[in-house]
Amino acid sequence: DTEVTQTPKHLVMGMTNKKSLKCEQHMGHRAMYWYKQKAKKPPELMFVYSYEKLSINESVPSRFSPECPNSSLLNLHLHALQPEDSALYLCASSQDLNQPQHFGDGTRLSIL
Amino acid sequence: GESVGLHLPTLSVQEGDNSIINCAYSNSASDYFIWYKQESGKGPQFIIDIRSNMDKRQGQRVTVLLNKTVKHLSLQIAATQPGDSAVYFCAENRGSGGSYIPTFGRGTSLIVHP
Repeated sequence: DTEVTQTPKHLVMGMTNKKSLKCEQHMGHRAMYWYKQKAKKPPELMFVYSYEKLSINESVPSRFSPECPNSSLLNLHLHALQPEDSALYLCASSQDLNQPQHFGDGTRLSIL
Repeated sequence: GESVGLHLPTLSVQEGDNSIINCAYSNSASDYFIWYKQESGKGPQFIIDIRSNMDKRQGQRVTVLLNKTVKHLSLQIAATQPGDSAVYFCAENRGSGGSYIPTFGRGTSLIVHP
């Protein structure tokens, strides 16, 4: 069982919908991450939060909006996505930056 | 950085053999390296890590070697088992403005035949 919990596991949405992906960890980790992973490709970093503040945004389009309400939770708000945004979205946490990451099992997102 | 090809490199081994998975990293400023294992339908799982002040680190059945001169990292798995079948990724952490940017290599698919 993973210690990083992501919900939902699967999500199908239209291009005009608004939805949110959620991630939760209770390990006391202070760094949290969002990645996008396409089939047979490595995870690509999207955002890094450190102590609940956004520290890295890897030039992600504004239709993806991250939020860190507290040290245990990380959200990714989705709006007006494109079909090419269909992918596995992975959340991870680490005790601090430059430490090994613990990953959730991801949300598989399909955009119709 | 490494180019990501259309096909995932594959390593096929027999159960009980030793496996060696290689990785070339891109940034000489990276100071922390991690190997992850990703099984089908799951997120990556931490295996072993190494910092740039070391050239070798051993875990249970796994060894990581770091050659900073040629920017090369390898993962050695002893007595490979069917449960080791997965995709293996190396990752490098590069410092950036007080934070760190983790970058994953393209991955190698390990297939272990019983």
